[in-house]
Amino acid sequence: QVHLQESGPGLVKPSQTLSLTCTVSGGSIRSAGYYWSWIRQHPGKGLQWIGYIYYSGSTYSNSSLNSRVSISVDTSKQQFSLKLRSVTAADTAVYFCARSTVTHPDAFDLWGQGTMVSVSS
Amino acid sequence: QSALTQPASVSGSPGQSLTISCTGTSSDVGSYNYVSWYQQHPGQAPKLMIYEVTNRPSGVSNRFSGSKSGNTASLTISGLQAEDEADYYCSSYRSSSSLMVFGTGTKVSVL
Repeated sequence: QVHLQESGPGLVKPSQTLSLTCTVSGGSIRSAGYYWSWIRQHPGKGLQWIGYIYYSGSTYSNSSLNSRVSISVDTSKQQFSLKLRSVTAADTAVYFCARSTVTHPDAFDLWGQGTMVSVSS
Repeated sequence: QSALTQPASVSGSPGQSLTISCTGTSSDVGSYNYVSWYQQHPGQAPKLMIYEVTNRPSGVSNRFSGSKSGNTASLTISGLQAEDEADYYCSSYRSSSSLMVFGTGTKVSVL
């Protein structure tokens, strides 16, 4: 059974870069047909899709964050990563990694447990 | 980016049916059948309940059903149970650089 697990610092200082990694276990991140996404949830608020990456390295990001977001994949480590630059308090949120498919891009059928990231000095 | 609009809260008694609406625009819900619904209990990750408007993933109760009319999608929960008390979010593909957009979320209470 495929499992996703986020990891990274829980506290980031303003203006610095938030870096998170999602480790895929129980299945191959190189399986064709899957998009690997980052989604965040501000405290007590709704969900916001950040972007996705395909195992080949193709990426697409939400334009509202596009200039600050980088998503990469390391297939040898079964990991994909998020970097969010120049963070502010508005980037404080729970960050989830999730999987969807090329044929059903709206269906995030597998999620990590989420990791809380606070932006504060 | 603007989120899809959902009612803040909906409530019902056990055994009843209730419907949650998700209103978008002709750039998202109205133009694509990539509408999904998620259930989220406190402190947990969202769980996929419906995808592509009407499809239920394996293991999801058939008490959950989805539909769409124009720019509005709906999730109906029939035979309401205590365990259905949770937050529900819709999501849609959007033909802009937002690509995927979520709804504002609806808190379902079972009275």
